[in-house]
Amino acid sequence: EVQLVESGGGLVQPGGSLRLSCATFRFTFRNYWMTWVRQAPGKGLEWVANIKPDGSDRYYVDSVKGRFTISRDNAENSLFLQMNSLRAEDTAVYYCVRGGGGIDYWGQGTLVTVSS
Amino acid sequence: DIQMTQSPSSLSASVGDRVTITCRASQGIRNDLGWYQQKPGKAPKHLIYATSSLQSGVPSRFSGSGSGTEFTLTISSLEPEDFATYYCLQHNSYPRTFGQGTKVEIK
Repeated sequence: EVQLVESGGGLVQPGGSLRLSCATFRFTFRNYWMTWVRQAPGKGLEWVANIKPDGSDRYYVDSVKGRFTISRDNAENSLFLQMNSLRAEDTAVYYCVRGGGGIDYWGQGTLVTVSS
Repeated sequence: DIQMTQSPSSLSASVGDRVTITCRASQGIRNDLGWYQQKPGKAPKHLIYATSSLQSGVPSRFSGSGSGTEFTLTISSLEPEDFATYYCLQHNSYPRTFGQGTKVEIK
């Protein structure tokens, strides 16, 4: 079965940086768009960014543009999210999700807490 | 940005009830809509893609319909495991946007 495993979350001070990783298994990673979705505590889902299979196109929600960078390593079947200039409002569980439009399989999520 | 307005935000229902959740898009999105189910502390689960196609393994009591700007998720006969929060997601344009969620609670 398809599996996605996020890592890299944790506690970071405002203005700090964090890099999330997503290891993927049991599908042909290089053929799929990939997406990051986040969920603030007690809130709904928010689409964050996605990336084309070859990495040539990337899209972001306005609130993270210029601060977050989505990337991938097709040789390692891995997805990344580099998060800089973090703010309290970035506190959320971050999910790695397969697909770019009709996203289907989700990881279990990794919690990012931005607090001093 | 396309706004997705889900209604109701919550509902109480009994096992066996028919439940309908609606998502309205602020502009036409063809049939570029999916539905997701989330239980507390868990990742969302994909239920329906392209408005009305059932994801593999999803029970047939779930169905989706609509087009353009109005979409519905229907659970024909609520089962105990269906108590959860449901979200719609449009993928017609960027940024992708979710509805705010509908919490289905036990009556």
